[in-house]
Amino acid sequence: GESVGLHLPTLSVQEGDNSIINCAYSNSASDYFIWYKQESGKGPQFIIDIRSNMDKRQGQRVTVLLNKTVKHLSLQIAATQPGDSAVYFCAVPGGTSYGKLTFGQGTILTVHP
Amino acid sequence: EAQVTQNPRYLITVTGKKLTVTCSQNMNHEYMSWYRQDPGLGLRQIYYSMNVEVTDKGDVPEGYKVSRKEKRNFPLILESPSPNQTSLYFCASSLRGRAKNIQYFGAGTRLSVL
Repeated sequence: GESVGLHLPTLSVQEGDNSIINCAYSNSASDYFIWYKQESGKGPQFIIDIRSNMDKRQGQRVTVLLNKTVKHLSLQIAATQPGDSAVYFCAVPGGTSYGKLTFGQGTILTVHP
Repeated sequence: EAQVTQNPRYLITVTGKKLTVTCSQNMNHEYMSWYRQDPGLGLRQIYYSMNVEVTDKGDVPEGYKVSRKEKRNFPLILESPSPNQTSLYFCASSLRGRAKNIQYFGAGTRLSVL
């Protein structure tokens, strides 16, 4: 089945720095990837997605990069702010279950003022 | 305001006492799902529903039941809760089709089974 992993469970940065959160996936047939943000006490919130026919996609202060050769994607947050402190998950649609998302274990991002 | 509402937010119960966690969405979404979140294990899907009266098992369905009698509601039922069901539960909803993976989550229900 699909598995999704993250390289680092925690990431600590200074306010204003750029943050990079990494994610590896196992299924080379995966064609769609999603990043979610979970703030303390809240449910996950959609940030950005990318399809496998793209290498890069940009949103507001966030960029996702996809490297299909090594089955790796990353989420880059520019000029990180204290409000970006949260757990970040990558997720891939998995298996035959309709709408099923397989989530990575998450990276805890802490932004210091 | 578009949202997914779960109740209760916190629940402490004892082994074997049936409970229901309600979930309601006001976005007219066809798809709804339940996840549990445990430390070190991330979010795992319990059950999902593609539409009214259409439900199916996710990765960890044992010990849970669901029903989808109305489009907006998707309750999670624990007929005989056990301590290993102590967890943080999330309900999610989405449109069908290509948008099904952009899921909107509720705020969560923290359940403790003693």
